[in-house]
Amino acid sequence: GEDVEQSLFLSVREGDSSVINCTYTDSSSTYLYWYKQEPGAGLQLLTYIFSNMDMKQDQRLTVLLNKKDKHLSLRIADTQTGDSAIYFCAESIEGSARQLTFGSGTQLTVLP
Amino acid sequence: DAMVIQNPRYQVTQFGKPVTLSCSQTLNHNVMYWYQQKSSQAPKLLFHYYDKDFNNEADTPDNFQSRRPNTSFCFLDIRSPGLGDAAMYLCATSRDHGTSPLHFGNGTRLTVT
Repeated sequence: GEDVEQSLFLSVREGDSSVINCTYTDSSSTYLYWYKQEPGAGLQLLTYIFSNMDMKQDQRLTVLLNKKDKHLSLRIADTQTGDSAIYFCAESIEGSARQLTFGSGTQLTVLP
Repeated sequence: DAMVIQNPRYQVTQFGKPVTLSCSQTLNHNVMYWYQQKSSQAPKLLFHYYDKDFNNEADTPDNFQSRRPNTSFCFLDIRSPGLGDAAMYLCATSRDHGTSPLHFGNGTRLTVT
């Protein structure tokens, strides 16, 4: 069965780097996603990575994928107060009618 | 420009009074989804449409129904809302299954009094 796990909370100081971790169990996962949710809002797609990639970088965001350990991480460089939100990782399988499986979300708090 | 639009942002209904939430998309995506999200939890998929094909999740209560009259619009009908149905309802779209990311609307916060 599929399962995606994340730690619930992370606090960092403004200007530091944040690293949000995620583990998943389904080795068939094809795509892995990071979504950001601000209070009272929907989910905003931040970035995603195909399972044959190890790393993807997009401005302040770096995604690392360790497929052997089924571990995904999101690093936010120079974290700002506007980065405070809940971050969800999710995984899907190409061609599968099974939909996205979300983790429980990590609440990132950025302290001034 | 908003691509997945949900109306209204906030909806208040009375216990047992039917309510409809709406979603529209400008992306021309094949798949439209409805998720329920309760406080401090991950979104939970209720059902989705692939084009006109309706796919219900096994644990979605019968109280929840959906309609997709055309590519652009999808509705969530709650026939007899209970207090436990108070939640954020999120609509999302994707081009296909599993190979393209989901794009979410801003959600409708439902309150049941």
